[in-house]
Amino acid sequence: GAVVSQHPSWVICKSGTSVKIECRSLDFQATTMFWYRQFPKQSLMLMATSNEGSKATYEQGVEKDKFLINHASLTLSTLTVTSAHPEDSSFYICSASDSGIHEQYFGPGTRLTVT
Amino acid sequence: GNSVTQMEGPVTLSEEAFLTINCTYTATGYPSLFWYVQYPGEGLQLLLKATKADDKGSNKGFEATYRKETTSFHLEKGSVQVSDSAVYFCALSSLGGSYIPTFGRGTSLIVHP
Repeated sequence: GAVVSQHPSWVICKSGTSVKIECRSLDFQATTMFWYRQFPKQSLMLMATSNEGSKATYEQGVEKDKFLINHASLTLSTLTVTSAHPEDSSFYICSASDSGIHEQYFGPGTRLTVT
Repeated sequence: GNSVTQMEGPVTLSEEAFLTINCTYTATGYPSLFWYVQYPGEGLQLLLKATKADDKGSNKGFEATYRKETTSFHLEKGSVQVSDSAVYFCALSSLGGSYIPTFGRGTSLIVHP
C-alpha cells in the first residue's frame, strides 16, 4: 500500500524558533497533500491543502505567515512553524492523495512541543 | 457544505462484544465514505471505504455499508478484541467539496479483557 512518512516524529523547540516538518510519499506521486493539526482527544483540524507547484490553500483562521507550507515536488511537502510559541504545541499530521484516488494516506504524525 | 456526525465516545466494551459506531453524513453530490483508525500516538490508517451506494467496505472483521437513503455509514464488528482499542474516524470526500476531506470528531473505543 501507499506509504507516507513524516520527519521528525517528535521535536522540542524553544519559543521563538522555527521548526520544519517534512512529509514524503514514498511509493506514489502525491498531487495533493493535506496538513492537519490534532489536539489531545480531539478530531483533526485541516490547516491547509497543497498541490504540487502551487501555493497552499489555507483554511479559515490558519495564519499562512506562521504556518508556511511548501509542496516542492510530487513526493515532498514541508510545514514550517515560524516563531513558534507554546500554544503551537500539538500533533501535526500530513496526508497525501494520488490523483483519481479519493482516499488519503496518512503520515505517522509529528509531536511538536514548544517550551 | 459537507459534514459528518459520529456518535460520541468513549465506547467501552468487553472483549468479544458486538460493536457499532454510528456515522451519518451530509454531502453535495455522491461522496466516497471512509473509516479511519488511529492508534495511540500514531497517524491515521484507512480501515475501509465505500465509493457508491449499497457498497460494503470490510477489513479486519470490520464492516460498513453505504446507505444513501439514510445517509449513513455505520461501522460494525461482530467480536471486538483488546487490540481494537483506538479512535475511529468517519470521513467523506466528494466532488462538491472539491475532494477536500471532511472528518467526524472521532469515537474512542476501549475494549477490556
